[in-house]
Amino acid sequence: EAQVTQNPRYLITVTGKKLTVTCSQNMNHEYMSWYRQDPGLGLRQIYYSMNVEVTDKGDVPEGYKVSRKEKRNFPLILESPSPNQTSLYFCASSLVTSGGPIYNEQFFGPGTRLTVL
Amino acid sequence: SQQGEEDPQALSIQEGENATMNCSYKTSINNLQWYRQNSGRGLVHLILIRSNEREKHSGRLRVTLDTSKKSSSLLITASRAADTASYFCATDDGGTASKLTFGTGTRLQVTL
Repeated sequence: EAQVTQNPRYLITVTGKKLTVTCSQNMNHEYMSWYRQDPGLGLRQIYYSMNVEVTDKGDVPEGYKVSRKEKRNFPLILESPSPNQTSLYFCASSLVTSGGPIYNEQFFGPGTRLTVL
Repeated sequence: SQQGEEDPQALSIQEGENATMNCSYKTSINNLQWYRQNSGRGLVHLILIRSNEREKHSGRLRVTLDTSKKSSSLLITASRAADTASYFCATDDGGTASKLTFGTGTRLQVTL
């Protein structure tokens, strides 16, 4: 089954404790991205990757890191989480065809609900 | 900054009625997409309309795009309780073609 998986689905942690949220897709998509969703603010893009070893900042990259060492995986790293990073996080992927990934359907993972105390 | 803004923020209708929600955006785009999100779950792609298209249909969905007004509308006909969800429009910025910006969504409630 074609899908995007995220782990963990739920996480409660404390300020300053490094954490990683994993994202994996089995559709051989080149493009992957991370979003956070907060009430009243919709989805905001954190980072995106056009292909292996190619990443770029989205609208709200501060406090986050990503890496793209393999095509299928795109982990989101919070080196020193703070309470303002409490949010619902989504990973998404899509094909990159002529014109770019935004011409294609984005496939979303089920989300990771993160609480930072 | 938000590229797409949906209107209304919330909509409540009865089963069988039509639901219309609107999206306005600020800059030129290459395409516009609509997504659905059931409470707290991942978004699901509904339909994509390109900047040179004016109308597109998919089952009970009808999407229009007016690039002169920088707006789009999503019509769900003969709504069902299962259509209860949040609906988001997503646009690119017309340039880089590598980034989608989502609006804040319309929350649709369909009652029996």
